[in-house]
Amino acid sequence: DQQVKQNSPSLSVQEGRISILNCDYTNSMFDYFLWYKKYPAEGPTFLISISSIKDKNEDGRFTVFLNKSAKHLSLHIVPSQPGDSAVYFCAANSGAGSYQLTFGKGTKLSVIP
Amino acid sequence: SQTIHQWPATLVQPVGSPLSLECTVEGTSNPNLYWYRQAAGRGLQLLFYSIGIDQISSEVPQNLSASRPQDRQFILSSKKLLLSDSGFYLCAWSVGLAGARETQYFGPGTRLLVL
Repeated sequence: DQQVKQNSPSLSVQEGRISILNCDYTNSMFDYFLWYKKYPAEGPTFLISISSIKDKNEDGRFTVFLNKSAKHLSLHIVPSQPGDSAVYFCAANSGAGSYQLTFGKGTKLSVIP
Repeated sequence: SQTIHQWPATLVQPVGSPLSLECTVEGTSNPNLYWYRQAAGRGLQLLFYSIGIDQISSEVPQNLSASRPQDRQFILSSKKLLLSDSGFYLCAWSVGLAGARETQYFGPGTRLLVL
């Protein structure tokens, strides 16, 4: 059973527009969420995270929103750039006693120049 | 600053052969270490994690094993590779205690093809 779901395997966005990547989770114990970016044949790079005590965290062009009641989070990239083209993974951690990050299957973002 | 190294970058091995992938972390002490696998078209699956030397936990039953001979060295091994072991293997590190909010940082990965 997938506890972290990224239902869109791919997304295409025009350069300069907003990219919105979505992630849903089922485990109510998750209280820390992360987004990673991955280029082909490379390891994932940490982008941004959010704790469950917040509903928004911003870092430059990247903003993550968390809706705990809906068990939903999203990553907004504004403005999108061609270099943002990559696979984006959502991950979650339950904190108490757990070292494990549970990952979604990823969404491939293509930013069209 | 911290860096993480993995080698080899790419490996092609016949079925039934042994495997040894190495991961080392620099610039931090007593890290938590992780081995993940990404199979084609799938997400990241945690295979092993280690919170200290000789402390290794396995997340999934499999044909692989892990060892941590030194504080900042993590090794993934197999005695006999299967075709299903093909994939992209990622090592990661973090610094934290159980209950802390974990941000894990990944190495460049090893692409393994078993033929």
